[in-house]
Amino acid sequence: DQQVKQNSPSLSVQEGRISILNCDYTNSMFDYFLWYKKYPAEGPTFLISISSIKDKNEDGRFTVFLNKSAKHLSLHIVPSQPGDSAVYFCAASDPNNNDMRFGAGTRLTVKP
Amino acid sequence: KAGVTQTPRYLIKTRGQQVTLSCSPISGHRSVSWYQQTPGQGLQFLFEYFSETQRNKGNFPGRFSGRQFSNSRSEMNVSTLELGDSALYLCASSLSGSWAGELFFGEGSRLTVL
Repeated sequence: DQQVKQNSPSLSVQEGRISILNCDYTNSMFDYFLWYKKYPAEGPTFLISISSIKDKNEDGRFTVFLNKSAKHLSLHIVPSQPGDSAVYFCAASDPNNNDMRFGAGTRLTVKP
Repeated sequence: KAGVTQTPRYLIKTRGQQVTLSCSPISGHRSVSWYQQTPGQGLQFLFEYFSETQRNKGNFPGRFSGRQFSNSRSEMNVSTLELGDSALYLCASSLSGSWAGELFFGEGSRLTVL
């Protein structure tokens, strides 16, 4: 059961433009959300997170937005750089059930 | 400090065989989680161990099992391998639990079943 969905398998943007990666979830018990980035032949690395008590969290070029009523979160990268080309996974956590689920990932390609 | 170490990095098995993968977490981390990554399916949660106890389990058949030792190192085992078990198996460690925040991943063990 895909409780966390990333409906866009891939995204291509031009260097300097904004990248927007989307993620939807179905379980209302999720209350902590994370984004991970994965380069080929490496394990995923943590990028940014957001708690359900907030609707926005910013870290440099990366901003995560959370819309709890829509069960939707998004990751904005501004400006996008070629080094951002990677697979991005969103994850959602339900601490009451010791559970964390990942989406299928979105492959971002930033073209020079 | 040293990161999460997984061994072996690559392995090839044939159908019906079994395989054991190993994961050494970051020193001081007591939680180890295992994930299967396949194209289109993303990271599928297998199980999580904390202080030698399995705390949570994903929707995988009983052929997939794991354990954790007193030094927090973990192993996962897949018996009676099937072609569909070909995947990248990732291990992640954290201080208190996979749901509690940031996970630190190893580079993975890529299993090919022929």
